[in-house]
Amino acid sequence: KAGVTQTPRYLIKTRGQQVTLSCSPISGHRSVSWYQQTPGQGLQFLFEYFSETQRNKGNFPGRFSGRQFSNSRSEMNVSTLELGDSALYLCASSLRFSLVAGGRQETQYFGPGTRLLVL
Amino acid sequence: ELKVEQNPLFLSMQEGKNYTIYCNYSTTSDRLYWYRQDPGKSLESLFVLLSNGAVKQEGRLMASLDTKARLSTLHITAAVHDLSATYFCAVVPNTDKLIFGTGTRLQVFP
Repeated sequence: KAGVTQTPRYLIKTRGQQVTLSCSPISGHRSVSWYQQTPGQGLQFLFEYFSETQRNKGNFPGRFSGRQFSNSRSEMNVSTLELGDSALYLCASSLRFSLVAGGRQETQYFGPGTRLLVL
Repeated sequence: ELKVEQNPLFLSMQEGKNYTIYCNYSTTSDRLYWYRQDPGKSLESLFVLLSNGAVKQEGRLMASLDTKARLSTLHITAAVHDLSATYFCAVVPNTDKLIFGTGTRLQVFP
C-alpha cells in the first residue's frame, strides 16, 4: 500500500512569489492535514481537510490557504512568500476526520515533506 | 496557552544505557502520540496512547501515559545507535488537532 506522497520535494522561491504544494494521501484516507516545521517554531498545525471541506485551522495568516479535491488529494498555497516561510511542509493523512475518536486508534501518517527555501 | 514540553531537549547517551524522555502538557487531551523523525526525513508514528495508565512497548522503546499528571514518558532500554533520532510527543486537545511537543534530539554513541 503506497504511503503519503508530496510534490515537489524541494523548492526554491524568492520573496513575493507564491507557491503551491501537493499531497496525495494513502488510498482510502479522507482526511489530510498540513504542518509547518521550522527550527525556531517546531511543528505547527496549518489546517485540515476532510471531504473537500476545511475542518480545522491553525494560527497562520491568510496567505496560507489550501483545498482538497474529490479524490482526497490536497494542495496548499502560500502567497506573497516571506523569508520566514522557509520550512519543511509536512502533509499527513488519516482515515477519518476526528482524532478525538472516542477510543479509536486514529493515527496520522506523514508524507516525506516539501522543503521550501525562500530567498 | 497550551504548552507541550519535552525534557530533555537534547540527549546524548551511550549504547547499552537506559534513559527516559518526558512529555508534559498543559491541557486535557483525548490521547497522546509519539513520533520519531530521522534527520531530513518525515515523521514515523511510534505509539498511540489512549487512556490513563496506558503502556505500549515496541522493541527497546516503551511509552506510558498518566492523564491525571498530564505526563507521558518514553523509556529507552539498552540504547543502540539506530535509535538516534528526534522524538516528538503530540496531544489532541478538544480543538481536535495535533499539538506537538518541542522534540527531544537523541544521539546514541558507542
